[in-house]
Amino acid sequence: KAGVTQTPRYLIKTRGQQVTLSCSPISGHRSVSWYQQTPGQGLQFLFEYFSETQRNKGNFPGRFSGRQFSNSRSEMNVSTLELGDSALYLCASSLAEGAGGYTFGSGTRLTVV
Amino acid sequence: AQRVTQPEKLLSVFKGAPVELKCNYSYSGSPELFWYVQYSRQRLQLLLRHISRESIKGFTADLNKGETSFHLKKPFAQEEDSAMYYCALTPHRTGGFKTIFGAGTRLFVKA
Repeated sequence: KAGVTQTPRYLIKTRGQQVTLSCSPISGHRSVSWYQQTPGQGLQFLFEYFSETQRNKGNFPGRFSGRQFSNSRSEMNVSTLELGDSALYLCASSLAEGAGGYTFGSGTRLTVV
Repeated sequence: AQRVTQPEKLLSVFKGAPVELKCNYSYSGSPELFWYVQYSRQRLQLLLRHISRESIKGFTADLNKGETSFHLKKPFAQEEDSAMYYCALTPHRTGGFKTIFGAGTRLFVKA
């Protein structure tokens, strides 16, 4: 079965712009979590969605938001981009909330210039 | 608050030598613990989880609640084990889950 798919793979944006990243989980997986990965901070939790509801949120400013659709696909949005938002954004899905570990996507590499 | 600590950023061993990647956690409840691995140019993938008590690619990890540790071990390292390893903790509670990752340890197995 298909794995976790993230689009786009690479993105270059200018400061002040906004961006939307997409994640399609493994079929049947209802929980989707997002992480920001940077060399300095490692993997930082952004948010977790289950059944279209945000169940948990990390310590990121309100510029970071997300949503989940009825088919479990998820999007995350970052508004008013800053240089420090440059990172690899990873999406991970699991069958149920917090259960059994994640399956990760390849990530979206966002560069803010 | 929960925390995962991997004290070594880099671990270098010779092929055939035993390897132990350390992971310590802090959490007052009963967590679920995982090891993830990222090989070069590949996506992050689940290696093993403590409740399975399994051996994957020769690696094992035992949860020690007294020492709050979940170290990853392999008796004989192979060159193909060279990768980035992350320890992760998922707290067991209601109201949403927030899996926390350690900073990672890069394992380099020398020929």
